[in-house]
Amino acid sequence: DAKTTQPPSMDCAEGRAANLPCNHSTISGNEYVYWYRQIHSQGPQYIIHGLKNNETNEMASLIITEDRKSSTLILPHATLRDTAVYYCIVTANAGGTSYGKLTFGQGTILTVHP
Amino acid sequence: NAGVMQNPRHLVRRRGQEARLRCSPMKGHSHVYWYRQLPEEGLKFMVYLQKENIIDESGMPKERFSAEFPKEGPSILRIQQVVRGDSAAYFCASSARDSNTEAFFGQGTRLTVV
Repeated sequence: DAKTTQPPSMDCAEGRAANLPCNHSTISGNEYVYWYRQIHSQGPQYIIHGLKNNETNEMASLIITEDRKSSTLILPHATLRDTAVYYCIVTANAGGTSYGKLTFGQGTILTVHP
Repeated sequence: NAGVMQNPRHLVRRRGQEARLRCSPMKGHSHVYWYRQLPEEGLKFMVYLQKENIIDESGMPKERFSAEFPKEGPSILRIQQVVRGDSAAYFCASSARDSNTEAFFGQGTRLTVV
């Protein structure tokens, strides 16, 4: 799986958009970008994933650059409950094998403050 | 639809005892993954199982650790003769058979070896 680089920490004001960057310059054509978060020692929570197109769901938006070497997770209106460690993970579609084998890095500690 | 269920949530064992951690995947999911998170460290993949088969155990310690996912019942992560260094949070994740799906995590079992 390709390596990812994320800033160790970020701050965001409550109600503002949180934009979390991720670099994955060695990503290959069959690798997806996944985002998970872990709130204070709970189990990781799936947020969103994408291959090349931008994606949006009820939690967040994922913007992937055209060359796919970087991406940004956007939480449109951050709340205090969004304070967590956010993990950007790149993993391949291994011919039908599922996507549960994930390599977690150090992630970005996002702190949302009032 | 219940999520991934892990039990017990907290487990205390004395050195030398056995620890059994259980994971019931989400309904309809046939792929199970176990992860370990040592204190102040990231999540590390341990093993990937499908029903009655170990698919990938590349992250499992060579001794004392074993995992199974029987035809009926939950997946079991078994740690024999526990040592203090086994104290960690153990997370289970499950995913569906189809490709391009996300994995969902349970809330974890916190093992403390005293």
